[in-house]
Amino acid sequence: DAGITQSPRHKVTETGTPVTLRCHQTENHRYMYWYRQDPGHGLRLIHYSYGVKDTDKGEVSDGYSVSRSKTEDFLLTLESATSSQTSVYFCAISDLLAYTEAFFGQGTRLTVV
Amino acid sequence: AQSVTQPDIHITVSEGASLELRCNYSYGATPYLFWYVQSPGQGLQLLLKYFSGDTLVQGIKGFEAEFKRSQSSFNLRKPSVHWSDAAEYFCAVAQNSGNTPLVFGKGTRLSVIA
Repeated sequence: DAGITQSPRHKVTETGTPVTLRCHQTENHRYMYWYRQDPGHGLRLIHYSYGVKDTDKGEVSDGYSVSRSKTEDFLLTLESATSSQTSVYFCAISDLLAYTEAFFGQGTRLTVV
Repeated sequence: AQSVTQPDIHITVSEGASLELRCNYSYGATPYLFWYVQSPGQGLQLLLKYFSGDTLVQGIKGFEAEFKRSQSSFNLRKPSVHWSDAAEYFCAVAQNSGNTPLVFGKGTRLSVIA
């Protein structure tokens, strides 16, 4: 299995609080992604990174920010969590965009109450 | 923009029966195509992928998929389903050039009955 670790795996937080999810990889892959998975919607891209300090928005980026200061770490921050951000968040990595498959982490289940 | 349609939200098949999961995509050129499987509470695992060449691709766990350009389809098949195949299946596409991540369909949940 690709070396991808997401932390935490589960989190419950209150509306309005900031939350940071971490994705750590040991594969030295260039590209990293954050997706959210919701019933009936499949996986939707939040943000992705194509290198250190290089990021871009995805389909559902509103309310989220990301940072990548090292190749191995990609952080997803919810500045002020809302109930609509209750979801399962998946990190993925790939070596060369669109040429190789993406490898996925185990997911983080976030509940905003 | 690319899009992926999986017309079937939920499919139930008997163990030992054949399976076909449908996937249609919208894209101006031939994209890269993928099928992923997700078991409950797990991440996604790649079953197979198509980049170019032979339009019938073989994957893990006895799955195969056929790319049909004329129908913009990439359907997943298995000749004999096992109870352990019960999971959710996602079709995904990526541009064959440029800088765009995978776009996923909404998934098809497969149930297997005895």
